[in-house]
Amino acid sequence: EVQVVESGGGLVKPGGSLRLSCAASGIPFSTYAMNWVRQAPGKGLEWVSSISSSSSYVYYADSVRGRFTISRDNAKNSLDLQMDSLRAEDSGTYYCASSIGYCSGSTATCYQPFYFDYWGQGTLVTVSS
Amino acid sequence: IQMTQSPPSLSASVGDRVTITCRASQSINTYVNWYQQKPGKAPKLLIYTASNLQSGVPSRFSGSGSATYFTLTISSLQPEDFATYYCLQTYSAPLTFGGGTKVEIK
Repeated sequence: EVQVVESGGGLVKPGGSLRLSCAASGIPFSTYAMNWVRQAPGKGLEWVSSISSSSSYVYYADSVRGRFTISRDNAKNSLDLQMDSLRAEDSGTYYCASSIGYCSGSTATCYQPFYFDYWGQGTLVTVSS
Repeated sequence: IQMTQSPPSLSASVGDRVTITCRASQSINTYVNWYQQKPGKAPKLLIYTASNLQSGVPSRFSGSGSATYFTLTISSLQPEDFATYYCLQTYSAPLTFGGGTKVEIK
């Protein structure tokens, strides 16, 4: 059975930092690209970041580039998202999702098929003073 | 790449045929996924690469389209289909979702 479990969410003040983690089991983690997707309360889905299976390629949404850092440890089947300089608009539920397919290169073209197949239940981040 | 999804919401009855559209701001081949999300739950993959049905998804769901125009169709709406649906372009990063379509009971 595949399990994807996020952790690390919580309440943080604007300008603060938080580190989210994701543990995956039941999939060949080292062969999957991994992703973070977030959802502000009552709003739609927003892709945040992706990392290829070997960490060779990482990409970020413009809204988080320079503040967030994605990383993975294939030996531990884990994915992290370091979030710095947090803003109120970063609040929401953060989902970890595995993906068949990955993006690469300077053009960030994605190899197909590309889809998010396994998702965690999400972890809530609240940025507020 | 912007994904413009319509309508933002719709009301329909059980048994109705429902179509949701997504338009891309540039040609993206067939690189679109469709997801279903119910309140408090993670999204669920329905369709990938525009028209491929994910394993285990009922055949009343179908997808079509290419280049800049894509549709998700539910041929006969069932009670469990009332949810919010999102398209996602996977042509290139940054990946972008459509704004969502909330399907409500009429």
